[in-house]
Amino acid sequence: DAGVIQSPRHEVTEMGQEVTLRCKPISGHDYLFWYRQTMMRGLELLIYFNNNVPIDDSGMPEDRFSAKMPNASFSTLKIQPSEPRDSAVYFCASSVTSGGANEQFFGPGTRLTVL
Amino acid sequence: AQSVTQPDIHITVSEGASLELRCNYSYGATPYLFWYVQSPGQGLQLLLKYFSGDTLVQGIKGFEAEFKRSQSSFNLRKPSVHWSDAAEYFCAVVGNAGNMLTFGGGTRLMVKP
Repeated sequence: DAGVIQSPRHEVTEMGQEVTLRCKPISGHDYLFWYRQTMMRGLELLIYFNNNVPIDDSGMPEDRFSAKMPNASFSTLKIQPSEPRDSAVYFCASSVTSGGANEQFFGPGTRLTVL
Repeated sequence: AQSVTQPDIHITVSEGASLELRCNYSYGATPYLFWYVQSPGQGLQLLLKYFSGDTLVQGIKGFEAEFKRSQSSFNLRKPSVHWSDAAEYFCAVVGNAGNMLTFGGGTRLMVKP
């Protein structure tokens, strides 16, 4: 299996621009998670989906952030408009329900820099 | 709500020395506990997990962790550290949401030659 795939790996943009981060979960996984990692705040859960439905988006910082999962194999995290404080590494992770608490498999992350 | 505390932000050990990374959790019921490792520029990789049963769990790369309910701890250990173990280590807990992980702040491990 290829694991969780994220693109792009690096993104540099200017303040005010729209940014779209992409994630392909592991085939067969029914949970998908978006995290943000910064030096100041560590790892934060932004939102997670179960069977393509958003379950908890309480971690999404502002209305500028939105996430979608149109099908089981693809999700996007969009920031519009972007701001310098959004600079961080964004991780996508997926897991599969198997009767207990389950391991999350993480992608390599997208390093976002907003100038 | 559950929470995780990793008291040590940085730890430096000599290669070949033993290692213990501390993790304390707060959760009302029996938690599901995890240790992840993150190498520079990489995503997180699972080292080991505890769900139930034997309180001493073995993981990959020679790591083990012991669940101590009385101390609300899940410390990670390795008897002999290798230079390649230098990385950041995260303890995490899953609570009643089933699949939502709550992470500790991480411990950055440096290994001296």
